[in-house]
Amino acid sequence: DTGVSQDPRHKITKRGQNVTFRCDPISEHNRLYWYRQTLGQGPEFLTYFQNEAQLEKSRLLSDRFSAERPKGSFSTLEIQRTEQGDSAMYLCTPLEDRFFGPGTRLTVL
Amino acid sequence: DAKTTQPPSMDCAEGRAANLPCNHSTISGNEYVYWYRQIHSQGPQYIIHGLKNNETNEMASLIITEDRKSSTLILPHATLRDTAVYYCIVRVSGSGNTGKLIFGQGTTLQVKP
Repeated sequence: DTGVSQDPRHKITKRGQNVTFRCDPISEHNRLYWYRQTLGQGPEFLTYFQNEAQLEKSRLLSDRFSAERPKGSFSTLEIQRTEQGDSAMYLCTPLEDRFFGPGTRLTVL
Repeated sequence: DAKTTQPPSMDCAEGRAANLPCNHSTISGNEYVYWYRQIHSQGPQYIIHGLKNNETNEMASLIITEDRKSSTLILPHATLRDTAVYYCIVRVSGSGNTGKLIFGQGTTLQVKP
C-alpha cells in the first residue's frame, strides 16, 4: 500500500480516443505531481498542483493534455485524441509522503 | 535535464553490500540528494535523502562527500528483492519551490545469488 491509488491500472484505447485517469492520495496533501514514464526511461515530470492551483506544466504537456484538481484532493489527467506516442505509464505522487502511486499503464493502438 | 550522473548498471552478490555512486557536481546549497528505486512495473519507492550529513535508515545509508559533489547509496546486505533501478536525484525542498523530481536514467542493480 503506497497511500496513493490510481484508476484505472491499465487502459487500452484506440488512437484518436479520449482517456481520463484519476489519482487519489489517501490522506490530505497540499501538493500533487503527475509524471509519465516510457519504457526504459526514468519518470518525466508533467505537472504540479498546490491545492487546486496548477502551478507548473512541463513542455511535455501538449494542448491535448489537461489536468485538474478540483477540490485539492484527487486529481484527473485527461488526454484527448490519443496518439501512439502517448503510450506510457502515468504516475502521480504527493511527494511529501514520498510515495508514488502504482501508475496507470496506457496503451494506444 | 537531470543534474546527476550514475553508472547504467551494477551487479552485487546476495548478502554483500551494494554501493551505488552518484555524481552531482553542480548541486546548489539548497538542494538535497534523494534516492528512489523502482522495481519492475511498480511506481518509484523512496529510499533516503540528505543535505550534507550522512544519513541512515532501515533501508540504506547515504554518504555525501564533504564538497557535496558526489554521494553513495549503501545497501548493507543486498537481497534478490533489491534488484531494481536506483535513481539519484537532486531536489530543492521547502515552500516556494515546485519541489519536482528530475529523474535521470538511473543505475540498474542486479543482485545475484
